[in-house]
Amino acid sequence: LAKTTQPISMDSYEGQEVNITCSHNNIATNDYITWYQQFPSQGPRFIIQGYKTKVTNEVASLFIPADRKSSTLSLPRVSLSDTAVYYCLVGIYNTDKLIFGTGTRLQVFP
Amino acid sequence: NAGVMQNPRHLVRRRGQEARLRCSPMKGHSHVYWYRQLPEEGLKFMVYLQKENIIDESGMPKERFSAEFPKEGPSILRIQQVVRGDSAAYFCASSPQEREVMAEQYFGPGTRLTVT
Repeated sequence: LAKTTQPISMDSYEGQEVNITCSHNNIATNDYITWYQQFPSQGPRFIIQGYKTKVTNEVASLFIPADRKSSTLSLPRVSLSDTAVYYCLVGIYNTDKLIFGTGTRLQVFP
Repeated sequence: NAGVMQNPRHLVRRRGQEARLRCSPMKGHSHVYWYRQLPEEGLKFMVYLQKENIIDESGMPKERFSAEFPKEGPSILRIQQVVRGDSAAYFCASSPQEREVMAEQYFGPGTRLTVT
């Protein structure tokens, strides 16, 4: 399983766009990139998954360059409720075992 | 459609006692996963079960920990003779047999175990 590296913490203000980058230098051909969000005292929640280029849903966008050695989760116009820990996970498409790192703690200020 | 349910939400045990954590997956889900989270750390995979079968228990400690997912009823994570180091949040997740999006697991609210 590919090791991921992401910033420990980030600060932002309401209404700003937040980009969280994850490095995964040894990503394998069959690996997908998945992001989860965890609020305090709650279980993680799936945000988005992608393999290459760009994926967008109602919550976020995921940008993956051609070499796939990194990926960027983009949260448009964050609000206070986006304060959470964001985890980048890399694994094979049909993985059943999620491997979480320490994540990025995002703090959104008013 | 109710989400993944876990009970109890908080559990206090003295050293040496047994802890039983229950997880009811989402309706229609046949895959159950257990994770443990220590303070300020990410979740650590423990075990993956389907009905009446343990599929992957590579993250389970060799001793004192066991898990089951019977044909009827919730999945149970059992910790025998608890020690202070077992204090953590234990999360259960479930997924359906056929997943529209791979690696998407639905997590419960967790059980916070405190060993005194």
